[in-house]
Amino acid sequence: AQSVTQPDIHITVSEGASLELRCNYSYGATPYLFWYVQSPGQGLQLLLKYFSGDTLVQGIKGFEAEFKRSQSSFNLRKPSVHWSDAAEYFCAALNQAGTALIFGKGTTLSVSS
Amino acid sequence: EPEVTQTPSHQVTQMGQEVILRCVPISNHLYFYWYRQILGQKVEFLVSFYNNEISEKSEIFDDQFSVERPDGSNFTLKIRSTKLEDSAMYFCASSRDRSSYEQYFGPGTRLTVT
Repeated sequence: AQSVTQPDIHITVSEGASLELRCNYSYGATPYLFWYVQSPGQGLQLLLKYFSGDTLVQGIKGFEAEFKRSQSSFNLRKPSVHWSDAAEYFCAALNQAGTALIFGKGTTLSVSS
Repeated sequence: EPEVTQTPSHQVTQMGQEVILRCVPISNHLYFYWYRQILGQKVEFLVSFYNNEISEKSEIFDDQFSVERPDGSNFTLKIRSTKLEDSAMYFCASSRDRSSYEQYFGPGTRLTVT
């Protein structure tokens, strides 16, 4: 069965430092992959997506992610974290039928000053 | 910017009661979804809805659950007889069409069953 794994439950990063959130997927074919962010009291906001083509994708708020088929990974990165980036981050993959998203458990990001 | 809205933001109900969670998808979207997240667990797919019928449902979506689009704007999730284990955050989402694959989520309704 398809699955998405986010190994890190909670990460703390200093403001201005770089960030990498890990995501691994299990999927037989070319996956459609997403990163969502959820701030307290808000819905899930799409940060970026990968369908095909260039394996480095740019998203909103200065985020990027790199698809690595050999590692079954789709890690989210940001070169310099801002305090407003503190939130919960979800990696997701589209199921084979293209009808539903399969989510990881999420990673909570805290930003220290 | 158009967004998905959900009401109420928090619902408390007693076990065995019926609840209806409401969602207003983005107006030109055609596909609608419900997901839930039990505290500390993954966001899980419940059901997708298109053209006034369920297009896919997960094993979680049993006979206690139903969905409806009662008018041109609302999309509802009904739980007929709530159980303690139904306590979760319920997210509604919508997408413009199948090929876009981008689902836009609402802020969620926190359901607490006591």
